[in-house]
Amino acid sequence: DAGVIQSPRHEVTEMGQEVTLRCKPISGHDYLFWYRQTMMRGLELLIYFNNNVPIDDSGMPEDRFSAKMPNASFSTLKIQPSEPRDSAVYFCASSFSSSTNEKLFFGSGTQLSVL
Amino acid sequence: GNSVTQMEGPVTLSEEAFLTINCTYTATGYPSLFWYVQYPGEGLQLLLKATKADDKGSNKGFEATYRKETTSFHLEKGSVQVSDSAVYFCALTLSSASKIIFGSGTRLSIRP
Repeated sequence: DAGVIQSPRHEVTEMGQEVTLRCKPISGHDYLFWYRQTMMRGLELLIYFNNNVPIDDSGMPEDRFSAKMPNASFSTLKIQPSEPRDSAVYFCASSFSSSTNEKLFFGSGTQLSVL
Repeated sequence: GNSVTQMEGPVTLSEEAFLTINCTYTATGYPSLFWYVQYPGEGLQLLLKATKADDKGSNKGFEATYRKETTSFHLEKGSVQVSDSAVYFCALTLSSASKIIFGSGTRLSIRP
């Protein structure tokens, strides 16, 4: 089992540039979550999908952020334009809804630095 | 609303010390409760869980008991090791189809 795969592992970019983070969930999982982790705010849920459909995007900070899930095996989180305050670790997680007690499987995260 | 409150860190202990990390919750229904652990440079992983009142979750020497009367789910370990150094997150969910709500995390450092 390869687990949840995120890429890139590290991203350094300049303010104003577009950033795309990628995630491959565990095969068969029908929920996918994007989280952001910072020292100040802790772990924040940005958006989650069920069967490729966005269910709750209330955590997306602003219009600069967008997320897509074109198929069951791939999702992207895009920031355009990026700003220094977007610097954080972004995690993708997936789960299988048939479990009565959700268990999230997290990827290793993308460390984003916006200069 | 639904929320999780856990003790602020960092918590620093010597090896073989007893550990308690406090967690309390607020929920409109009957949540399932979790502890997740994040080792340096990695994503979170499930440590233990409890699904109903008085259940005890346990794993790797860690334990937590679901206390409905005090709305608590404190994490304990009798003798910590250096390898337990990590960030610990308390969390809850109210249904199998809902998002998990995490606490702010508690950083634990164990001195040799």
